[in-house]
Amino acid sequence: GQNIDQPTEMTATEGAIVQINCTYQTSGFNGLFWYQQHAGEAPTFLSYNVLDGLEEKGRFSSFLSRSKGYSYLLLKELQMKDSASYLCAVMDSNYQLIWGAGTKLIIKP
Amino acid sequence: GAVVSQHPSRVICKSGTSVKIECRSLDFQATTMFWYRQFPKQSLMLMATSNEGSKATYEQGVEKDKFLINHASLTLSTLTVTSAHPEDSSFYICSARGPRGGDHEQFFGPGTRLTVL
Repeated sequence: GQNIDQPTEMTATEGAIVQINCTYQTSGFNGLFWYQQHAGEAPTFLSYNVLDGLEEKGRFSSFLSRSKGYSYLLLKELQMKDSASYLCAVMDSNYQLIWGAGTKLIIKP
Repeated sequence: GAVVSQHPSRVICKSGTSVKIECRSLDFQATTMFWYRQFPKQSLMLMATSNEGSKATYEQGVEKDKFLINHASLTLSTLTVTSAHPEDSSFYICSARGPRGGDHEQFFGPGTRLTVL
């Protein structure tokens, strides 16, 4: 079966760095996405990785290792507004998104 | 980026009534639209995938006679929750993908919060 695993909840301090991991097992691979979702709102796109390596976009970076079925989202210089759920999703061979359950990130002052 | 709108953003209805939710791609042609449901503190659950001009493909466990999906044009898909019950109360989110099969991004609408009394 298809499976996406990510931690349920993480806590970090404002100004610090946090890494959210995601491991996956899917039928085929056409890329891995990270989305941010604030409570009561729809997800917003953060990053897309289809090749191995690190993609940096401002304070956010995303890493992919296809051989390990592993990705992480790195958030630097954390701000209170970064408190949200972070969803990892993999696009399978049918171009369908397989979603993880999300990681709730709590930022403390 | 591409914009997807949803209407209404919030709806409260009585048990037994039907509710229609519209999803529109405003600045691109969406050959494929997806309907998700999300219960509190849970992840997105894909309900169905609809391609313009053809019948929707429903995920296992989703009643197609209860959740009617119509994707009549390249910019509009509708989800009708028929004979809604309190357990149908949820956050419904649509997303749309462009015409190229390899397009990697789904663009999400803002969601519709349905409360059935």
